[in-house]
Amino acid sequence: EAGVAQSPRYKIIEKRQSVAFWCNPISGHATLYWYQQILGQGPKLLIQFQNNGVVDDSQLPKDRFSAERLKGVDSTLKIQPAKLEDSAVYLCASSISGGAGRNEQFFGPGTRLTVL
Amino acid sequence: AQSVTQLDSHVSVSEGTPVLLRCNYSSSYSPSLFWYVQHPNKGLQLLLKYTSAATLVKGINGFEAEFKKSETSFHLTKPSAHMSDAAEYFCVVSDRNGGYNKLIFGAGTRLAVHP
Repeated sequence: EAGVAQSPRYKIIEKRQSVAFWCNPISGHATLYWYQQILGQGPKLLIQFQNNGVVDDSQLPKDRFSAERLKGVDSTLKIQPAKLEDSAVYLCASSISGGAGRNEQFFGPGTRLTVL
Repeated sequence: AQSVTQLDSHVSVSEGTPVLLRCNYSSSYSPSLFWYVQHPNKGLQLLLKYTSAATLVKGINGFEAEFKKSETSFHLTKPSAHMSDAAEYFCVVSDRNGGYNKLIFGAGTRLAVHP
């Protein structure tokens, strides 16, 4: 089966610009996750969707980050305006469900963002 | 809240020698624990998971981990390292968030394998 797809793979922008990342999860997976992985650290959950509803966005900097998952399939994560500290790899993952039992997460290759 | 601590940021071994990557966890209830591997420019891949069944868990590529409640540890081992094992390894605990589970990642251990 096809894995989680993300694009672009790399993005370089200047601070205060805006940027958007796209994720296509594994077909049939109801739960979608966005993580931020800063160099030298483990991934940190930004937002979790169950179908097209938000389950957890407690660690999403809502003044500059936004995400949507229209129709419960693809998702877009946006940063506007970007700051230097947003330089990181942004990972998308999906799972069959978010609850116990069938919640193994499958990760995409990530988008590496560099903010200059 | 759940958390994990990976005790070594870097581990270096020779090819053919044993691998030990250490992880301690903190949990207020019986946890679900995972090890993920991340190769350069590739997505995270699940190596193995513990979900309150057998305490010795076998994963892919010859890796295994033992859940020790008394020591709050979940160390990852492999009897004989291969060059292809060089990667970043993450110990992960699952935290309950209402009816959903949330993964909490450790800081990672970079494994280097030398000929």
